[in-house]
Amino acid sequence: QVQLVESGGGLVEPGGSLRLSCVASGFTFSDNYMTWIRQAPGKGLECLSYISGNSRDTNYADSVRGRFTISRDNAKNSLFLQMSGLRAEDTAIYYCARYTRIPNPWGQGTLVTVSS
Amino acid sequence: DVVMTQSPLSLPVTLGQPASISCRSTQGLVYTTGDTLLNWFQQRPGQSPRLLIYKVSNRDSGVPDRFSGSGSGTDFTLKISRVEAEDIGVYYCMQGTHWPWTFGQGTKVEIK
Repeated sequence: QVQLVESGGGLVEPGGSLRLSCVASGFTFSDNYMTWIRQAPGKGLECLSYISGNSRDTNYADSVRGRFTISRDNAKNSLFLQMSGLRAEDTAIYYCARYTRIPNPWGQGTLVTVSS
Repeated sequence: DVVMTQSPLSLPVTLGQPASISCRSTQGLVYTTGDTLLNWFQQRPGQSPRLLIYKVSNRDSGVPDRFSGSGSGTDFTLKISRVEAEDIGVYYCMQGTHWPWTFGQGTKVEIK
């Protein structure tokens, strides 16, 4: 079945960088758009970015544009989110999801905490 | 950005009774394909969101038929015909038509 496993979260100081990974299985990864969505503690959900199967189509939410970069390695069935210039308000659980006009399914998430 | 407004934000329910959640968008949600990309997700405590309903009224695989979705234009509804204990959690509507895709604030369903 479709499975998505995120990793790479952790504690980072304001202004720091972090790279999140998401390994996919159970479907043809290269044929699918993928997306990153985050959820701040006790808060709602925010779509951050998406990328097409061939990486030619990407987009970002204004809140992360210029600071975060989405990428993928289809040979390794992997999705990435390079995050730089991290702020306290970036503290959240970060989920990856397959996107077929619907984000589904989602991984279990990885927690990013930005604090000094 | 398209704002999704859910009501109520808190929904105490009695087991076996129906429940209804409203979701309104600030723009129409018809995509270029003609589909209306309005989805509903359930998030149980400590879990990732799970897709319940896609394109307004289609139940995802394995979703019990007590869940139903309806609506059009900018006004949508999720209904649970008879609430069960496993339905406790937070429910989100989400539009996938206009980037950035946006979610409602969430409706917390809890047992009275």
